[in-house]
Amino acid sequence: ETGVTQTPRHLVMGMTNKKSLKCEQHLGHNAMYWYKQSAKKPLELMFVYNFKEQTENNSVPSRFSPECPNSSHLFLHLHTLQPEDSALYLCASSQEGRGGYGYTFGSGTRLTVV
Amino acid sequence: EDQVTQSPEALRLQEGESSSLNCSYTVSGLRGLFWYRQDPGKGPEFLFTLYSAGEEKEKERLKATLTKKESFLHITAPKPEDSATYLCAVAPQLTSGTYKYIFGTGTRLKVLA
Repeated sequence: ETGVTQTPRHLVMGMTNKKSLKCEQHLGHNAMYWYKQSAKKPLELMFVYNFKEQTENNSVPSRFSPECPNSSHLFLHLHTLQPEDSALYLCASSQEGRGGYGYTFGSGTRLTVV
Repeated sequence: EDQVTQSPEALRLQEGESSSLNCSYTVSGLRGLFWYRQDPGKGPEFLFTLYSAGEEKEKERLKATLTKKESFLHITAPKPEDSATYLCAVAPQLTSGTYKYIFGTGTRLKVLA
């Protein structure tokens, strides 16, 4: 399997639930990202992992918790979310350090908080 | 502050009617400018990377150009399957070991048969 794979594709959760989003990249990239995409807004950077180390936490509420166990896998743990957290959550990877080649995105997880 | 602005917000074209999408940017040193295509319910798909003013890239009916302040995505004789949202992003010069890309809000293109 190639590219960036995200699971699940769709997720409906209540405000008291705990769930996790999973991202896996098969490209040998050294950086991985979580973005939030809401209607009519630019993609919002949430977290950056560079060589498995978190290098950016873009003022994200603590109800979102990232985990990067190795350079190929990235998780986003969710708990006690709010309805305004409903959005498309995108994972991306890139090979940084040698000019920058842009992101490869996954297909995203459409999250609905009820 | 680093910023990316795309225009127009939405564009409707007749099949075969050529046009251009604009991406204006202000950034403290440019490592690269990227164009992506995004279909509804899917993640963005990479189209082009441009690194320096004067550079041009082509792919089928699409051609991307770059100046020191903006980039254009020219669409020649579009077809209905070109309908999508086109996103522009810039990668500023690396600071503090963090790689950050800044995205515009996109242009929603609809090509009518």
